[in-house]
Amino acid sequence: GQSLEQPSEVTAVEGAIVQINCTYQTSGFYGLSWYQQHDGGAPTFLSYNALDGLEETGRFSSFLSRSDSYGYLLLQELQMKDSASYFCAVRDRQTGANNLFFGTGTRLTVIP
Amino acid sequence: EAGVTQFPSHSVIEKGQTVTLRCDPISGHDNLYWYRRVMGKEIKFLLHFVKESKQDESGMPNNRFLAERTGGTYSTLKVQPAELEDSGVYFCASSQEAGRREQYFGPGTRLTVT
Repeated sequence: GQSLEQPSEVTAVEGAIVQINCTYQTSGFYGLSWYQQHDGGAPTFLSYNALDGLEETGRFSSFLSRSDSYGYLLLQELQMKDSASYFCAVRDRQTGANNLFFGTGTRLTVIP
Repeated sequence: EAGVTQFPSHSVIEKGQTVTLRCDPISGHDNLYWYRRVMGKEIKFLLHFVKESKQDESGMPNNRFLAERTGGTYSTLKVQPAELEDSGVYFCASSQEAGRREQYFGPGTRLTVT
């Protein structure tokens, strides 16, 4: 089967850096995605890692270690608007290359 | 370019009634997905269309759920008869090609069954 673990809640201060971890168990891993969802809004794609290493997109970076079945999302220079839920999601042999298996999400609260 | 749209945004129905949710994907996207998030839990895959064909419906919970995509454009998801445990947020997503790393999600339909 599949499983994804990520913290349920994280609080961080505006301007700081926060890291949201995601560990997974799966068979035939293809890649790890991150999505952001503001309350009442649509999940929005942030990043995708298929290979080990760090992918950087502006203030957001995502890291993957396939050998450790672990990844994280790093948010720098936090802004109040970054308060949202963040989901990691995997593609693997069970989901197929097309579909996503999501974690339960991490609710990030940015405080002044 | 318009994003993925879903209708209605909210629906409150009684147990045993029928509800139909609609999703309009981004124009030109052949791949359409339905997902569901039950309160506080993970977003779960329901099914995947490629054009009008069901590519994968392994996530459909039972035969009370029927999805269609006539003509390969918009899709509907019908729940009949609705049960209390069907309450949740139903998301639709689309992508241009299967296997693309990014799926574009709609805002979801919040379904409450009382």
